[in-house]
Amino acid sequence: RKEVEQDPGPFNVPEGATVAFNCTYSNSASQSFFWYRQDCRKEPKLLMSVYSSGNEDGRFTAQLNRASQYISLLIRDSKLSDSATYLCVPLRRDFGNEKLTFGTGTRLTIIP
Amino acid sequence: EADIYQTPRYLVIGTGKKITLECSQTMGHDKMYWYQQDPGMELHLIHYSYGVNSTEKGDLSSESTVSRIRTEHFPLTLESARPSHTSQYLCASSEREGTNEKLFFGSGTQLSVL
Repeated sequence: RKEVEQDPGPFNVPEGATVAFNCTYSNSASQSFFWYRQDCRKEPKLLMSVYSSGNEDGRFTAQLNRASQYISLLIRDSKLSDSATYLCVPLRRDFGNEKLTFGTGTRLTIIP
Repeated sequence: EADIYQTPRYLVIGTGKKITLECSQTMGHDKMYWYQQDPGMELHLIHYSYGVNSTEKGDLSSESTVSRIRTEHFPLTLESARPSHTSQYLCASSEREGTNEKLFFGSGTQLSVL
């Protein structure tokens, strides 16, 4: 089983709609979680961290469910500029080393 | 904007050549990483470093080597390039913010080996 699993999509969503996608992780030792976004042929950039209590940043809401080992990202009132691949990234610590593991990402296209 | 730079941006080279991909950051970060990414695929960690003179292999086996003689510099070398090395190579550094480890990526080097 992959350490991080995401639905690769693509998700084609009309502008203004709300879209949500999940990510599951297999390593229960993962301690912190992040969503990164990656535009086509560009480097990934941090979108937001995911806190246990859930957190919101503008139109973006992230949730963590440790019991079921998944995290989610909700985007409200989607904009054309939201089109990108969204990468789920858990951080785990192994023997003092910290590793960020990237999923394949979920490709999102916002349609005018 | 992150102060992490990779050169060259694109590199097309023949089989058997020795190449070095440069990565520099001016943020004073101790932790640096090299990821490899093929189109439409996930990033794979191939090397990381937690400080000067510290280098470790990542999760994906790679024929490349790295060095960390200075904090700001983390070059990746391929002694003899092969077509199977064709990929995008992304360098990153990270800093701790509370419990968060925030990664900053360079723009990447797209390597094509003919």
